[in-house]
Amino acid sequence: QQQVKQSPQSLIVQKGGISIINCAYENTAFDYFPWYQQFPGKGPALLIAIRPDVSEKKEGRFTISFNKSAKQFSLHIMDSQPGDSATYFCAASESNGQNFVFGPGTRLSVLP
Amino acid sequence: DTEVTQTPKHLVMGMTNKKSLKCEQHMGHRAMYWYKQKAKKPPELMFVYSYEKLSINESVPSRFSPECPNSSLLNLHLHALQPEDSALYLCASSQGASGAYNEQFFGPGTRLTVL
Repeated sequence: QQQVKQSPQSLIVQKGGISIINCAYENTAFDYFPWYQQFPGKGPALLIAIRPDVSEKKEGRFTISFNKSAKQFSLHIMDSQPGDSATYFCAASESNGQNFVFGPGTRLSVLP
Repeated sequence: DTEVTQTPKHLVMGMTNKKSLKCEQHMGHRAMYWYKQKAKKPPELMFVYSYEKLSINESVPSRFSPECPNSSLLNLHLHALQPEDSALYLCASSQGASGAYNEQFFGPGTRLTVL
């Protein structure tokens, strides 16, 4: 129940295209859903996060869509660039800070 | 200062060595975390310190010993490690460990190799 599932495992997108990564969870106590971007040899960097009181959050080219009833959330990267090539992790946690869980990750490659 | 710093960047140690990893943040965060990350895997939570007290230990073997000397510093003491402990060790901090303050900021990690 503490798991977060993430798909696809890897994704190849042409420059300028839209990258879409999906995550799903079971624990209804989760109420904080961040996305992290990690480049090789670096620590994860917080990209964007959402709480269940909104269905969508946009920051620049990055948008999170959240479906509370389906217990799913997704990351959309618009106008994908080669510099976006990295591993993306969705995560979820409960409001008390317990059970901070990462999804297994998606390796994104944006072709020039 | 919006950074979490970790030293050393790389560490190679034998199975009989004792070494320590260090983490520092000056963002006034009151929660600090240790994660272990193997190649092509997500970070796995090891320990959480909240207000300088150990609040979560995810059943980590005793050869890993965390220490939080003050709210800005976090250490991970290593002793009698095994080759399978080789990994990237990440430190993170957040304003608090609960509620609206659990956005975690990660350091660059220490790449540990156990021979």
